[in-house]
Amino acid sequence: NAGVMQNPRHLVRRRGQEARLRCSPMKGHSHVYWYRQLPEEGLKFMVYLQKENIIDESGMPKERFSAEFPKEGPSILRIQQVVRGDSAAYFCASSLDEGPQHFGDGTRLSIL
Amino acid sequence: AQSVTQPDIHITVSEGASLELRCNYSYGATPYLFWYVQSPGQGLQLLLKYFSGDTLVQGIKGFEAEFKRSQSSFNLRKPSVHWSDAAEYFCAVGLMEYGNKLVFGAGTILRVKS
Repeated sequence: NAGVMQNPRHLVRRRGQEARLRCSPMKGHSHVYWYRQLPEEGLKFMVYLQKENIIDESGMPKERFSAEFPKEGPSILRIQQVVRGDSAAYFCASSLDEGPQHFGDGTRLSIL
Repeated sequence: AQSVTQPDIHITVSEGASLELRCNYSYGATPYLFWYVQSPGQGLQLLLKYFSGDTLVQGIKGFEAEFKRSQSSFNLRKPSVHWSDAAEYFCAVGLMEYGNKLVFGAGTILRVKS
């Protein structure tokens, strides 16, 4: 039974490009969470989604960031016009109902 | 506002020695509490959780944690540390009224010396 799958593991973008991060939750999980980990810091909540719905996006920056969890396919975290400050590790977690969250291995985003 | 404090950024212990990692939280309601471990370049693995009931909870890899409401603490312990325990440890509180989003502490890096 595969865990939470994130891809790519590493992503390099130049300033101004778009970054797309994908997350496939554990089988049977319908709740997806995205967190960001800046260097030397803990994880910070970004957004909580269920299928086709954004439940809580209180941690998302107001501009350039968006997330979706379509009926079919993985959840996508999209960052438009990336800047140096977007360099971080982005983690996805999934849960069954509102139980414990299981984390993927993350996507390390580097901005040149 | 909800917050989690891990006072120790780094801790070094000798292999075979006991370990205690401190965690204090600030939260108005009864918290759901978690400890996660992260190895370099990896995701987070759940060590243990507290939802209700017995305040001493057992987790994987020989870890345990005790919830003390009066001290707003949830310290992680292990009686005998192994070299493979070297990693970063995160305490988190789950905000159940917000869909169980997690608020994390800044983490404690554990080094194990032989």
